[in-house]
Amino acid sequence: NAGVTQTPKFQVLKTGQSMTLQCAQDMNHEYMSWYRQDPGMGLRLIHYSVGAGITDQGEVPNGYNVSRSTTEDFPLRLLSAAPSQTSVYFCASSPAGAVYEQYFGPGTRLTVT
Amino acid sequence: AQRVTQPEKLLSVFKGAPVELKCNYSYSGSPELFWYVQYSRQRLQLLLRHISRESIKGFTADLNKGETSFHLKKPFAQEEDSAMYYCALHTGGFKTIFGAGTRLFVKA
Repeated sequence: NAGVTQTPKFQVLKTGQSMTLQCAQDMNHEYMSWYRQDPGMGLRLIHYSVGAGITDQGEVPNGYNVSRSTTEDFPLRLLSAAPSQTSVYFCASSPAGAVYEQYFGPGTRLTVT
Repeated sequence: AQRVTQPEKLLSVFKGAPVELKCNYSYSGSPELFWYVQYSRQRLQLLLRHISRESIKGFTADLNKGETSFHLKKPFAQEEDSAMYYCALHTGGFKTIFGAGTRLFVKA
């Protein structure tokens, strides 16, 4: 099993550009989530999904969209990148009945200039 | 307010010395607390949860509701324990609140 995979590993965007961060898991987990990690702060939840077709907002959802068309994939879209979105983004998945047992991807380091 | 505080950004100890990574939380309900660890060039991974009351890699953590703390302890630190440690509070549903993390550096 590859576990949770994320692409790309690094990305540089200009202000106003859009892009999609990819996340996939092969563990048949129902729950998936996106976090951002900023210096001196813990991980903050952006969006999450409790199953295919179901998504909801986390703590810091503004400027991001998600969709969950399949169990495996949970892409995060930045609609119009801003410097404040410079961060490291982590995707995580967890099995039904153990939402707290999160398996994390390797992260994507995004810089917006 | 729901909050997790890890007061130390960096903790440096000598190999063989005891180590305690502090974590305090603020939550009015019944907390579920966890420790996550990220070793160099590896992914963030779950280390232990308070309900299991287990010892993982020699680490233990006891939930103290009176002091609202969940400190991570190990009696004899090893160099391979050097990593970033995050305390996390699961408040129900899908919400987990992470602390800012403590970097543990174990010196030879």
